[in-house]
Amino acid sequence: DAGITQSPRHKVTETGTPVTLRCHQTENHRYMYWYRQDPGHGLRLIHYSYGVKDTDKGEVSDGYSVSRSKTEDFLLTLESATSSQTSVYFCAISETQQETQYFGPGTRLLVL
Amino acid sequence: QKEVEQNSGPLSVPEGAIASLNCTYSDRVSQSFFWYRQYSGKSPELIMSIYSNGDKEDGRFTAQLNKASQYVSLLIRDSQPSDSATYLCAVLPLSGSARQLTFGSGTQLTVLP
Repeated sequence: DAGITQSPRHKVTETGTPVTLRCHQTENHRYMYWYRQDPGHGLRLIHYSYGVKDTDKGEVSDGYSVSRSKTEDFLLTLESATSSQTSVYFCAISETQQETQYFGPGTRLLVL
Repeated sequence: QKEVEQNSGPLSVPEGAIASLNCTYSDRVSQSFFWYRQYSGKSPELIMSIYSNGDKEDGRFTAQLNKASQYVSLLIRDSQPSDSATYLCAVLPLSGSARQLTFGSGTQLTVLP
C-alpha cells in the first residue's frame, strides 16, 4: 500500500459523537487526500492537502474537517457523526497533483 | 450528467477471453487518465495511466485513449479469474481551481473459469 497506513481500520460509533480518522505515510509525498466510497457513487473527494497546514475542500466536504500538522499525517474529523457518514474512507497520496494517487487500506466507519 | 461515466456491469467473460471496459468523460480539457483495479473489500490499486491519444500496453493490459471522442478504455487480454474485480476509471483535468481526480462508479468484472 505504498507506505500508507490508516487507523482505525474499523470503527462503530453513535450519531452525534466526534470521530477522527488518521492517515500516515512514509513516502514524504506532498499531496494527501481523503475520499469516501459508497455503492453507486464511486470514490468522492472530501478534502485534500498540498502541504503542511495547506488544505482545500473537495466535492463532499460538508460535515468534515481536516488537519495536517506534519508531512506524514493527515487527519479527517467528523465533528458530529451522522448515519449518512457511514462509509468506507480511503486516504491517498501523490507526489504532485498530476501524478498517480496511491491508496491506503481504508477505514470502515459505521454510524449508528 | 456525471463527469466520468462507466458501465456499471456486471460484465462477465469466460477465462481466456478479452474483457473490454469503457469510460467516457465530459471535461474536454482533461489531461490524465487512470485505470484502477479494486478487489472486494480492498483499496484501489493502479493498473495503467495514459496521457496521450492512442494505445498503451502493459502485459495483458492495454489502455486506449481518444480525446476527440472523450473516451478511454481498458482491454484485458487472456482474462483470468484473478482479474475478477471492480475497475475504476479516473480523470484529471488539465487546469482550473478544482483540479481534482474524478472517478467513475466502476465496472464489476467477473471472469468465469
